[in-house]
Amino acid sequence: NAGVTQTPKFQVLKTGQSMTLQCAQDMNHNSMYWYRQDPGMGLRLIYYSASEGTTDKGEVPNGYNVSRLNKREFSLRLESAAPSQTSVYFCASSASPGPDYEQYFGPGTRLTVT
Amino acid sequence: AQSVAQPEDQVNVAEGNPLTVKCTYSVSGNPYLFWYVQYPNRGLQFLLKYITGDNLVKGSYGFEAEFNKSQTSFHLKKPSALVSDSALYFCAVRDRNDYKLSFGAGTTVTVRA
Repeated sequence: NAGVTQTPKFQVLKTGQSMTLQCAQDMNHNSMYWYRQDPGMGLRLIYYSASEGTTDKGEVPNGYNVSRLNKREFSLRLESAAPSQTSVYFCASSASPGPDYEQYFGPGTRLTVT
Repeated sequence: AQSVAQPEDQVNVAEGNPLTVKCTYSVSGNPYLFWYVQYPNRGLQFLLKYITGDNLVKGSYGFEAEFNKSQTSFHLKKPSALVSDSALYFCAVRDRNDYKLSFGAGTTVTVRA
């Protein structure tokens, strides 16, 4: 039982390049989330998927797109990377979108945009 | 709007001493409160949560937290800290009607031997 896995672990992009961050969970969870973590700012929600087939914007969606490929997988795409998107990205999942369910986090992807 | 404040960027304690990490929150309805811990170069790990009921919540690794509605606080505590408790701790809150989990900026805990 691997929990939440993310690939890649590290990535360096040039401004304007695109890439997709992959996330998968094996806990049969319904809901999945993408966050970014910046120093002194905690985690901020980029997009979430309350259930398979649905996606919604979070707090900081600009410059990102997501795909809920199936119940297990939720990808985050940067179409044209900018230096402001340099951050650590975390994927998370929860059994339900309800507020009383804790979220389980992946190990993160450290992205640098030059 | 919901928000969380962690007033201390850093907390330093000696091993064996009590550890407290402070958190205050703001939410329009009844709060759903969480504590997470992050070890270096790792993802966040769930420690405990308050949903309803007893104001004292017990969680993983000997941690507990006390919900205080009048002070809108949810402080994390451990009676006797270990060096291995050194990490970054996040408090988070959700409102019943919002999918967003709002995190505080985090508190770095250092436990010295």
